[in-house]
Parts: sequence; structure tokens; C-alpha cells
Amino acid sequence: GAVVSQHPSWVICKSGTSVKIECRSLDFQATTMFWYRQFPKQSLMLMATSNEGSKATYEQGVEKDKFLINHASLTLSTLTVTSAHPEDSSFYICSASIRDRGPANSPLHFGNGTRLTVT
Amino acid sequence: AQSVAQPEDQVNVAEGNPLTVKCTYSVSGNPYLFWYVQYPNRGLQFLLKYITGDNLVKGSYGFEAEFNKSQTSFHLKKPSALVSDSALYFCAVSRFSGGYNKLIFGAGTRLAVHP
Repeated sequence: GAVVSQHPSWVICKSGTSVKIECRSLDFQATTMFWYRQFPKQSLMLMATSNEGSKATYEQGVEKDKFLINHASLTLSTLTVTSAHPEDSSFYICSASIRDRGPANSPLHFGNGTRLTVT
Repeated sequence: AQSVAQPEDQVNVAEGNPLTVKCTYSVSGNPYLFWYVQYPNRGLQFLLKYITGDNLVKGSYGFEAEFNKSQTSFHLKKPSALVSDSALYFCAVSRFSGGYNKLIFGAGTRLAVHP
């Protein structure tokens, strides 16, 4: 149980275009979803936290107009990279917390990530 | 501020030997500590966590971790390494911020198990 599906697994786009990444919790309701970015051979950097039906909370230094997050339902959050540039190329990973469990008592469940390459 | 440190970029172990991946933490209050594993081009898989209780925590795939409050450490261990254990391992601490509990990850340690 507790499967998080992330789509697409990889995407190549041209500079200036926008890319949408979907994160779905398949068999549970996710109160909160988190978006991370991972550079090669580096750790995960938390970008933003999204809560169903409310605006996302962005970490310091993350451009909210660049990385649009929508959490329309308890099972779906999307990250849109707007006007992508080569420096946005990275591995993006989403994760979700199971509803009704204290977050510290519920290990986050992760999607398999999306590798974005902007040419 | 909550943080974790993984002092080793890479750990090399022969198959069948015990392995240890180190993690130290810095938190205010009681720590919530986690270990995750990442295989190439994949998301993270949960291995184990420490919230409270026994200092020795047993997790998935034969891994365990020992919480040591005096040394502020939470090292990951396995008695006998497998080649298939080769992956990137992340230690994490939970931080309450902005109304959410967020995971803050260490830099990661690459484990290479040689046949």
C-alpha cells in the first residue's frame, strides 16, 4: 500500500516552454504533498509544501512564479515548471503524507521522480 | 535548526561483511529520525525510523539503526551486506515548520558493495 505515482518519469523540452509533472497517491488520501529537487550526486532540496485546497508554501529561494504547484484533490498535486531554462534541468521528486496520521509518525511516500532536461 | 550530517560520501564494503553508514543529527527537542534508500533514477524508499522507544530500530531488507542520544547519532547498519544493497542512502530528520512536519535530508552516502 501507500503508492505514489509520478508522471512523466522523464521529459525533454525546449527552453521557454512549460512542463507539468503530476504526483498522485494511488491508494490513500494525502493531506500534504511535498516537492523536492535533486541535483546530480546531491541531496534532496525541499522546494515547496502543498496542502489540498490551499496555496503551496514555498521554501526560501524558490520562485513561486517559476514553479507553480496545484493540489486540487487529496490524491493529486501538480508541479508546473514555467518558461523552462536549461538550469531548471534536474530530477524532481514528489512525496505524500497519509491523511489522518501525525506526519512524524508517517514516513513520507515518494514517487519515482521525473528527470527534466531542458534544451 | 534541525539538521543531519552524513560524514561519508561513499562507503565500500565487501559482500558478506557488516556495513555501517553514519549519520549525526542536530535538533532541538526530541528527534524524529529516518533512513531512506534511493536506487538510480528512482524516488526514495523508506527503510526505518526512530520516533521514541527502543534505541535499536529494525527496518526493511535487514537494515537496522541505533539511536544514540549522547553521541547524537543514528547510524544505519546491516550484519551482512549484499551487492544489491549498493545504492544511495539518506538520513533525514523531521522539522516542524510553517505548520508542517518536513523531512530535512543529509547529503547522502553512496554504498558500494563489492562481490
